Amino acid sequence: GNSVTQMEGPVTLSEEAFLTINCTYTATGYPSLFWYVQYPGEGLQLLLKATKADDKGSNKGFEATYRKETTSFHLEKGSVQVSDSAVYFCALRHTQGGSEKLVFGKGTKLTVNP
Amino acid sequence: DAGVTQSPTHLIKTRGQQVTLRCSPKSGHDTVSWYQQALGQGPQFIFQYYEEEERQRGNFPDRFSGHQFPNYSSELNVNALLLGDSALYLCASSLERFSYEQYFGPGTRLTVT
Repeated sequence: GNSVTQMEGPVTLSEEAFLTINCTYTATGYPSLFWYVQYPGEGLQLLLKATKADDKGSNKGFEATYRKETTSFHLEKGSVQVSDSAVYFCALRHTQGGSEKLVFGKGTKLTVNP
Repeated sequence: DAGVTQSPTHLIKTRGQQVTLRCSPKSGHDTVSWYQQALGQGPQFIFQYYEEEERQRGNFPDRFSGHQFPNYSSELNVNALLLGDSALYLCASSLERFSYEQYFGPGTRLTVT
């Protein structure tokens, strides 16, 4: 079945460091891919998305490129800030019986120190 | 424009009890999905409602049931609570034709003792 695998956390970085969070997926076909972010005590917020191969999603300095040859959607940011501390979830769109749901990875906790 | 709202914020129940969680979708949205997020895990899909009917269900027992009202708001009911039901329950709303673009509420933290 469809699944998402994320790199294990937690990840701790200093401010202005480069961030990569790896995400690979298993799916039939080429599903849309997403990154969600969850700040402490809050629900999930859509960070970025890509709907087809080679698409690059970007938002708030974060980027991720849909790579069908490696079934990956790694999240990157060139210079992290303390305010980026959160849990990041990679997800894919799964269609079944005319309806759609999201399948999430386990999440990667990022802590950015000043 | 109000986003997705959920109530209550926190809830403590005893094993064997029943609980009802509530969700109001983002204005204009007609589809509601529910997810369970255990501590340290990603959200797991429970079910989705559209036009007051359950359209798709994840791998959850029949103790989990739901309802959608004509105003698109929704309830999640869990019967015969188990300790393992302790989790953050997230509601997400969307438009039916774009049901993969889901907007999440802040969640209800359920603790079963």
